[in-house]
Amino acid sequence: EIVLTQSPGTLSLSPGDRATLSCRASQSVSSPYLAWYQQKPGQAPRLLIYGTFSRATGLPDRFSGSGSGTDFTLTISRLEPEDFAVYYCHQYEISPGTFGQGTKVEVK
Amino acid sequence: EVQLVESGGGLVQPGRSLRLSCTASGFRFDYYAMHWVRQAPGKGLEWVSGISWNSDSIGYGDSVKGRFIVSRDNAKNSLYLQMNSLRAEDTALYYCAKSHRGGSDYLRAFDYWGQGTLVTVSS
Repeated sequence: EIVLTQSPGTLSLSPGDRATLSCRASQSVSSPYLAWYQQKPGQAPRLLIYGTFSRATGLPDRFSGSGSGTDFTLTISRLEPEDFAVYYCHQYEISPGTFGQGTKVEVK
Repeated sequence: EVQLVESGGGLVQPGRSLRLSCTASGFRFDYYAMHWVRQAPGKGLEWVSGISWNSDSIGYGDSVKGRFIVSRDNAKNSLYLQMNSLRAEDTALYYCAKSHRGGSDYLRAFDYWGQGTLVTVSS
């Protein structure tokens, strides 16, 4: 299976800061098959990005996805108070689909 | 409005079975692949199983293969997960999730999630 490793484990930032989250795959993942989710405590995950670059319906444009091959990035250009959460990357090119272990974005 | 409502969770002894259900509304259920994703307490997400719109294509995570069986009934807008030979490590919140687009395969991102049903495996 494809192992996804996210870094850092925790990101301590302030509102207004730029957040850069990394997801590295153990083998190459085609761009159409990489997604990002946000999860807040007590809530189900929410799809943010699919196909590496495409924003889910209604997602603010401060969220952007990029990358290729084995290295992918989720960028939040200016953190809003509601963006502090855990973020997961997900590959769905090869079964079994796999998730990264998550990056927690916390208030500094 | 898309809604996914899971049910069937509870406390079960190791080695026993449990069947989860997910009832969908607000979209063409028979057009999309559906999935089960679980999250152990305080842990990350783990894909459990996926099933294509017509049940022709099915996949399982390595940790549940041979023990869990996914199925769906398009006439009832329902997804199921039969969980057999349960282990303590199967303890988790089980989410039902909808694929973000249609097509013949089940390998998709997930654009809608239910609130989950908790399965606790303990003696």
